[in-house]
Amino acid sequence: AQKITQTQPGMFVQEKEAVTLDCTYDTSDPSYGLFWYKQPSSGEMIFLIYQGSYDQQNATEGRYSLNFQKARKSANLVISASQLGDSAMYFCAIVPGFGNEKLTFGTGTRLTIIP
Amino acid sequence: DSGVTQTPKHLITATGQRVTLRCSPRSGDLSVYWYQQSLDQGLQFLIHYYNGEERAKGNILERFSAQQFPDLHSELNLSSLELGDSALYFCASNGDYGTDNEQFFGPGTRLTVL
Repeated sequence: AQKITQTQPGMFVQEKEAVTLDCTYDTSDPSYGLFWYKQPSSGEMIFLIYQGSYDQQNATEGRYSLNFQKARKSANLVISASQLGDSAMYFCAIVPGFGNEKLTFGTGTRLTIIP
Repeated sequence: DSGVTQTPKHLITATGQRVTLRCSPRSGDLSVYWYQQSLDQGLQFLIHYYNGEERAKGNILERFSAQQFPDLHSELNLSSLELGDSALYFCASNGDYGTDNEQFFGPGTRLTVL
């Protein structure tokens, strides 16, 4: 079984500051993938970034980067230079293998950017 | 736009009724996943179909069933609806094993049971 823990139910961050959203995971699978999704108030799930367990480098996608610490089983999302449009729910998720299995989600973090 | 479509966008119905949610995956994607997002349970996996065959089942109630058709679209059938079935239902799709990491989510169907 796989598990994702997001310990920050809500965060408030000043616009233009960087923010780190925490995610720890538990899995017995030798290979796995970690995802972050954004869910704005409109409800859709928007893919942000992916990290494979065997990837040597931390993933980056524009203003998003993933601080992957395998030994600590953590996959924190870092958003640089936050914008008002970043206000949303953020979900961390894990999948065994290469991605063609079910996603297991955490409970999410509600991020609010303050102007 | 993820390329995954879901209809209807909103559905309001009464307890005891039956509804069908429809999902069309991205062009060429063989896998369809259904997820339920509710206030008390969070985001939960329901079922996975790959090229018409059921691959995995999650916490899907016996009152719920799904299928994937030869054209790869999928339907989720919810029957004997209860108030607690009110939720946002997502489908997601991706491609062949080993080639696609990301699951692409549709916009969701918001079901309200009164």
